[in-house]
Amino acid sequence: SQQGEEDPQALSIQEGENATMNCSYKTSINNLQWYRQNSGRGLVHLILIRSNEREKHSGRLRVTLDTSKKSSSLLITASRAADTASYFCATDANDYKLSFGAGTTVTVRA
Amino acid sequence: DGGITQSPKYLFRKEGQNVTLSCEQNLNHDAMYWYRQDPGQGLRLIYYSQIVNDFQKGDIAEGYSVSREKKESFPLTVTSAQKNPTAFYLCASSINPSTGFNTIYFGEGSWLTVV
Repeated sequence: SQQGEEDPQALSIQEGENATMNCSYKTSINNLQWYRQNSGRGLVHLILIRSNEREKHSGRLRVTLDTSKKSSSLLITASRAADTASYFCATDANDYKLSFGAGTTVTVRA
Repeated sequence: DGGITQSPKYLFRKEGQNVTLSCEQNLNHDAMYWYRQDPGQGLRLIYYSQIVNDFQKGDIAEGYSVSREKKESFPLTVTSAQKNPTAFYLCASSINPSTGFNTIYFGEGSWLTVV
């Protein structure tokens, strides 16, 4: 069953703008991860945030985690055309399996 | 190069046929996974294996079978019992999920179409 749900389903922004997407989940987690998928390709791991962390940065990516609200956000700053992709959150509960949401499709317009 | 290799990239299946998707990894990872992705949707877990000679059903195992005879290999068979097999199939692996930091590495996927 899918644990995480991303919001919005689709996002279109101008190059240079920031893109923010959210993920909500249902049960307690060990960690939450974000992945990127270019069209027709496999997923690529972006960042992992542990349940005891509130914010994490990696280059132009900023992830927050609010375990009280069971939600996370992914911010991509100064977007580029190469950021056009689908972004998925994945939650790791206690059963060693990752559960993926349906993803947010981001389109960056030149 | 280290990574996960899936083959074939594109596969066509006739009604009533079984087909097997190959997945090989040279990352020395303990765990391997098969996911199914339908257009515009998320990933659904078909089967996973944490060690050689052991595997467990995921959320949508009906109509699929797997084997894990070697650490590097985790082939998926789509049987004729799977009534709607047209989808994008992704194989993945991770070091050891029991460590609690279960970052998954994916192959490039295989497209299966029923003709």
